[in-house]
Parts: sequence; C-alpha cells; structure tokens
Amino acid sequence: SQKIEQNSEALNIQEGKTATLTCNYTNYSPAYLQWYRQDPGRGPVFLLLIRENEKEKRKERLKVTFDTTLKQSLFHITASQPADSATYLCALLASGGSYIPTFGRGTSLIVHP
Amino acid sequence: DTEVTQTPKHLVMGMTNKKSLKCEQHMGHRAMYWYKQKAKKPPELMFVYSYEKLSINESVPSRFSPECPNSSLLNLHLHALQPEDSALYLCASSQEGASGNNEQFFGPGTRLTVL
Repeated sequence: SQKIEQNSEALNIQEGKTATLTCNYTNYSPAYLQWYRQDPGRGPVFLLLIRENEKEKRKERLKVTFDTTLKQSLFHITASQPADSATYLCALLASGGSYIPTFGRGTSLIVHP
Repeated sequence: DTEVTQTPKHLVMGMTNKKSLKCEQHMGHRAMYWYKQKAKKPPELMFVYSYEKLSINESVPSRFSPECPNSSLLNLHLHALQPEDSALYLCASSQEGASGNNEQFFGPGTRLTVL
C-alpha cells in the first residue's frame, strides 16, 4: 500500500543551526512533491513545490531536495529561528490522476533560542 | 484577497444537532476541498468540488453533506454526528483541481467537538 513517512518525533535544534526534515514514500510515483507549514490549530500554508525531474529547489532560507531513486525528499531550513517552530508536512501529487495532494503526518520542529 | 475564510472557528454540537460549516474564497479558484484532520495526523481528503460540481467523495458517511452554492462558497452540512467525528475541519481552494502544481490554500479551520 502507499505510504508517506515523516519522523513522528519532534526535531529540537538550536537557533542558527540548519534543520533537516525527511519525507520518505513507498509505492508512489509522485510527479510533484509539496512542503507545507502548519501552526497549532491552523490550516497548512504552502511553502515549496518540487517536480520529479528537479533535484533541488530553493526559496530564501528553505531548500528542498527530491530523490526519486531513494524515494525521499529532504527539507532544510538554514539559520533557523524560534519563529520557524511549527509542524512541516510533505504532500505527494501523483501523475496521471487528479493531482490531489496526499499528506504525510508531518514532523514538529522546535527551534530553541 | 488571498485568503480562505471559515466560520465558525469553534463548534460544539450534540449528536442529534444539525449544523453547517462555511468556507469562502475570492481568489477565483475553481477547485474547493474539505479535509478532516485529527491531532497528530495528516489532513484527510473528504470532498472535492471542481467548477462547482462534486468531483471526489472519499467514501465519506452521509452524515456529512457538502454543498457548493457558487464558485466562491463551500458548505459542509452536519447531521447526526458521532463523537469520533470531532476534529479540525479544513477548507482549501486551488486554481484548478487537475493541474500539476495544485497549491492548496487552506482556511484556518473549524474545531468541531461532538458531545
């Protein structure tokens, strides 16, 4: 069956360090992969999209990689700040379908001052 | 206006009540969605409307009834819910449902508690 795995344990890092979050998937052939940020009790907010033929995408302090051989995406936040503390969700969009994203459960990031 | 609004923010209802959740967007998006999210879980797709027509129903029980009165509005009518239906209900919109990017714009959600 199709699975999207994100680390269920919170990631705790110090301010200024780089946070790296992982999204692994099985039995999927995603054409696109999205990353969202979700704050407690709020709806997710879209951050970045990467296509299957792209290896890396950057936006300000954010960087996403996509390895279709490893079936993995890495999400990096450089120079992290306490305001980056939130849950980060990856979402996969399969080709040949309706392109409705299927979400992972997310990983909580806590940046300590 | 790049916002999706949802009302109410919180809703407490009994199992025999009838209530409605409302969602509105003015971005000209042609696809609108309802998701259900439980604590520490991913958003789960319930319904998709594309060009005001129901295009996806993810086998949701009939006690949830969606309605799309026009291209800007989406309602979710609730009747005879169960306590396990308590969750955060999220509305989202996107430019078009069947396109590759399909960036979802989410509303703040309605926190529903069923007693």
